[in-house]
Amino acid sequence: AQSVAQPEDQVNVAEGNPLTVKCTYSVSGNPYLFWYVQYPNRGLQFLLKYITGDNLVKGSYGFEAEFNKSQTSFHLKKPSALVSDSALYFCAVRDMEVDSSYKLIFGSGTRLLVRP
Amino acid sequence: NAGVTQTPKFQVLKTGQSMTLQCAQDMNHNSMYWYRQDPGMGLRLIYYSASEGTTDKGEVPNGYNVSRLNKREFSLRLESAAPSQTSVYFCASSAQDNSGNTIYFGEGSWLTVV
Repeated sequence: AQSVAQPEDQVNVAEGNPLTVKCTYSVSGNPYLFWYVQYPNRGLQFLLKYITGDNLVKGSYGFEAEFNKSQTSFHLKKPSALVSDSALYFCAVRDMEVDSSYKLIFGSGTRLLVRP
Repeated sequence: NAGVTQTPKFQVLKTGQSMTLQCAQDMNHNSMYWYRQDPGMGLRLIYYSASEGTTDKGEVPNGYNVSRLNKREFSLRLESAAPSQTSVYFCASSAQDNSGNTIYFGEGSWLTVV
C-alpha cells in the first residue's frame, strides 16, 4: 500500500537556525512528492514538488526539499528559520494506482514552532 | 483570481440535520476533491471527481454524497449529520496531467455537529 509518514508531530527550532521536517514514503514506481504548509485557520498552500530531475528541489518562502531514493525520504529544509515559518506542514505523495485520478495521499502533518 | 472557493466557512448542525458544502474553482481544472482534516490524522479523501460527470469514493466516503454539477462546481452533502462528522472540510482541484498536477485547496469549512 502506498503511504507517507511524518515521524515528528512537532519540530522546535530557534529563529535563525536551520530547520528540517522529515518525510518518508512508500510507493510503487517513481514517486511524485509534495510539501504543503497550513497556517492557522487557513487552507493548505503548495510549497514545492519533486517529479524528476535534481534531487534538491527549491520552493516558496526559501524552503527546499531533498529527494533521497535509497532512503525513500523527502525532507523539507530551510537554512535559516523565521518565526513566521511556524505552521503545520504536510508531506504528500501522488497515488500511483491505476485510475487514481491523480489524488494525493497525505502524511499526518508536522507542527513547526520557531521561537524568537 | 479566486482559485478554489468554498462555502460556508463555519456551520453548526444538530445531529440528524442535513447540509451541503459548496465548492467552485475558476482554474479550469478537470479534477476536484473533498478532504476532511482531523487532529493527528492529516487529510483524508472523502470523494473525488476526475472529470465532469464522474465521481468516486475516497478513503472515508460513508455518510457523504457528492455532486459534480459542472466543471467548476463540486458539492459535498451530509444527509444526516453525526457528531463524528465534526471536522474541517477542504475542497481542492487540480489539472489532470503528468506534470505533477499540483492540487490547490480552498480555505476550509469548519463544521460542528452537536
